[in-house]
Amino acid sequence: KNEVEQSPQNLTAQEGEFITINCSYSVGISALHWLQQHPGGGIVSLFMLSSGKKKHGRLIATINIQEKHSSLHITASHPRDSAVYICASSGTGNQFYFGTGTSLTVIP
Amino acid sequence: EAQVTQNPRYLITVTGKKLTVTCSQNMNHEYMSWYRQDPGLGLRQIYYSMNVEVTDKGDVPEGYKVSRKEKRNFPLILESPSPNQTSLYFCASSRLALANTQYFGPGTRLTVL
Repeated sequence: KNEVEQSPQNLTAQEGEFITINCSYSVGISALHWLQQHPGGGIVSLFMLSSGKKKHGRLIATINIQEKHSSLHITASHPRDSAVYICASSGTGNQFYFGTGTSLTVIP
Repeated sequence: EAQVTQNPRYLITVTGKKLTVTCSQNMNHEYMSWYRQDPGLGLRQIYYSMNVEVTDKGDVPEGYKVSRKEKRNFPLILESPSPNQTSLYFCASSRLALANTQYFGPGTRLTVL
């Protein structure tokens, strides 16, 4: 079983701030996923990465395979970024393991 | 429109009354999965399926059954629901499990009294 830990659990930021959410996992993986869940419950996949770095708009995801660590960065944060961000690992066993999520609130 | 649908979206039932939550995807995905989400515990995988007639247990399969008779459908069956199965349930699909984006359904909020 892969233990996936996220930090921080809760995060409040002022609009425009640079935000970092961290994720660490305990065993080797095939891919690391970042998900976004808005109030109301729907889950959207933001990134899937197995190495290096990916960027989509103001969001950047990085992964360090040797250190078993990934980060999600949000540049120039906006109130519409307020959501729960969840990281998940998928491995050779075809199973997914999830962190408990980071609740982000961006204040105007 | 590519989507994963779940029905019902909300369900209140009583202990022991069998129920089925349906899940359907229109993207011809091989991999489908069920998750439950509980406060403080996050998302946990219940069952997954790599293809038709191929299913396997996730992290928390006790009290649940699934079937995959058609590629597009992956129903979750609770034969005798109990209050500890009160949760928010998500179905998801992807082309392959390991290295592809998962697409999630809208969720089903189940309350077992």
